[in-house]
Amino acid sequence: QQQVKQSPQSLIVQKGGISIINCAYENTAFDYFPWYQQFPGKGPALLIAIRPDVSEKKEGRFTISFNKSAKQFSLHIMDSQPGDSATYFCAASKGDDKIIFGKGTRLHILP
Amino acid sequence: NAGVMQNPRHLVRRRGQEARLRCSPMKGHSHVYWYRQLPEEGLKFMVYLQKENIIDESGMPKERFSAEFPKEGPSILRIQQVVRGDSAAYFCASSPLQGSHEKLFFGSGTQLSVL
Repeated sequence: QQQVKQSPQSLIVQKGGISIINCAYENTAFDYFPWYQQFPGKGPALLIAIRPDVSEKKEGRFTISFNKSAKQFSLHIMDSQPGDSATYFCAASKGDDKIIFGKGTRLHILP
Repeated sequence: NAGVMQNPRHLVRRRGQEARLRCSPMKGHSHVYWYRQLPEEGLKFMVYLQKENIIDESGMPKERFSAEFPKEGPSILRIQQVVRGDSAAYFCASSPLQGSHEKLFFGSGTQLSVL
């Protein structure tokens, strides 16, 4: 049973465009929703995270939009750059429990 | 301040051999997590350890896999009698916060290949 479903599996965006990655979750007890960024040969690194008491969080070019009623959240990358090319993982957790990761999205930004 | 250190980066084993993966957490971190990443898959939680204690091993296969985090030295993930299906990237993460999986810092992983 996949608790966090992520789409698309891969994404190609032109430089300067907006990259959008979506995630859906099932467990309404989840209370923490991070996004991780992973470059080839490296471990994932926390990019941005949100809690369900807000509908949006923005950090620089990265924004999380959160829809509690639909049990969905998404990552938006504005003005996408070639350096943003990486694999992105959404995740969720509740309380002190372990983080559950989505399957990842391979993002490629065309120069 | 060095990050999470994992070694080896690449490990090749033949079926039936043992694999030992090491993880040194960030300085000041006493909580270690192991995750496994298969191709085209996300990270699957395996085990959460504090010094000398296993806190949550709900993601560990029942057989052949074990983990420890001794008082001195790195955390070790041990896989006995490896099979081809064990081939994956194994990531270690550490956290400074008790019981919190939120502030995770990942190492660069060990890529295990079973021939």
